[in-house]
Amino acid sequence: EDQVTQSPEALRLQEGESSSLNCSYTVSGLRGLFWYRQDPGKGPEFLFTLYSAGEEKEKERLKATLTKKESFLHITAPKPEDSATYLCAVQASSNDYKLSFGAGTTVTVRA
Amino acid sequence: EAQVTQNPRYLITVTGKKLTVTCSQNMNHEYMSWYRQDPGLGLRQIYYSMNVEVTDKGDVPEGYKVSRKEKRNFPLILESPSPNQTSLYFCASSSGPYNEQFFGPGTRLTVL
Repeated sequence: EDQVTQSPEALRLQEGESSSLNCSYTVSGLRGLFWYRQDPGKGPEFLFTLYSAGEEKEKERLKATLTKKESFLHITAPKPEDSATYLCAVQASSNDYKLSFGAGTTVTVRA
Repeated sequence: EAQVTQNPRYLITVTGKKLTVTCSQNMNHEYMSWYRQDPGLGLRQIYYSMNVEVTDKGDVPEGYKVSRKEKRNFPLILESPSPNQTSLYFCASSSGPYNEQFFGPGTRLTVL
């Protein structure tokens, strides 16, 4: 069974204090790893898709990286508007099309 | 505006009273999916659909039914709701099963 574990559960940062979120996964062959952002009371919003180890993607202050066992979401010089829950999800290269999510990391950035 | 809509947004019901949560997308997406979100457990996939008349179970399908008679609609049916189905439900769609998903605003369901 596919497993996705995110750490830490919660992260409190000062504005400008860079940090990283971790997503560890166990799948029988990775087809894709997704990062989403979720604001309170809203549905998740897509950030990145990573497909193979060594791949990196950036968007504003966010950078996602992928290894064979985990992915990191780096937040550089965060601002209060980066406060959200960040979700990681994996899709295995099997015959089904399930998407397995981690429990998320809630990031709070204080001004 | 491209979007996924869900109705109702909030629902309080009683055990055993059948209910339907509707989901509609205007992006002509083939792939649609239902999730439930519970504290500490994250999003768990209930059912998904590859196209009209094609549906398959996710990780937590027990107690739920779905149908896909039209491409744009993917209703979630609870034939006999129970308190353990109290949760926040999200519908999502994408152009393909391996592409980014667009999520609806969520339906908060309470079963008494």
